Amino acid sequence: DTGVSQNPRHKITKRGQNVTFRCDPISEHNRLYWYRQTLGQGPEFLTYFQNEAQLEKSRLLSDRFSAERPKGSFSTLEIQRTEQGDSAMYLCASSLKSSWEKLFFGSGTQLSVL
Amino acid sequence: GQQVMQIPQYQHVQEGEDFTTYCNSSTTLSNIQWYKQRPGGHPVFLIQLVKSGEVKKQKRLTFQFGEAKKNSSLHITATQTTDVGTYFCAGSYNRKLIWGLGTSLAVNP
Repeated sequence: DTGVSQNPRHKITKRGQNVTFRCDPISEHNRLYWYRQTLGQGPEFLTYFQNEAQLEKSRLLSDRFSAERPKGSFSTLEIQRTEQGDSAMYLCASSLKSSWEKLFFGSGTQLSVL
Repeated sequence: GQQVMQIPQYQHVQEGEDFTTYCNSSTTLSNIQWYKQRPGGHPVFLIQLVKSGEVKKQKRLTFQFGEAKKNSSLHITATQTTDVGTYFCAGSYNRKLIWGLGTSLAVNP
């Protein structure tokens, strides 16, 4: 158990609907990351926060994606007007700033867009 | 852009055989991490290598970081069925993690 909690574990939605995922990082970790992973691929970086500040967002990320970490604790990732190409596993990870490359991943949210 | 190439993509071994996966970066890395992802699971941190030429061991796993800090390898001695999964390297460059595509290991009992 890595201590990073994500929910829901699975989400099935129809194309065009909005979805929101939640991530609760390890409590003392000030960095939080969102990644996307499809079958047979490595994790693809989406965005990361240091405390409540969103410090980087992938240029590949469309404006339909938005993430928040309002109080520097849990984070939400919202996808608006979902498309079939959004189907993937959405992974959240957290780390300490001092050892930021050592990521602790949650179990992920598997999104299926029909 | 910066890339980390990982080979092989797949490896199928008989239990007891050795296994090696290699990572090669197009640029010099600050350090490199290795993660393991079991089927249906999430990546789990294994180790970080920082120094040029560094070698670290974890039981049957041996990790190496090249002298030029551009390549790395993970070697598993006498594989077991519990070693099944995908092994990812992730290189740290310019305060970013660049992930390889992973090597999927299957072990026949």
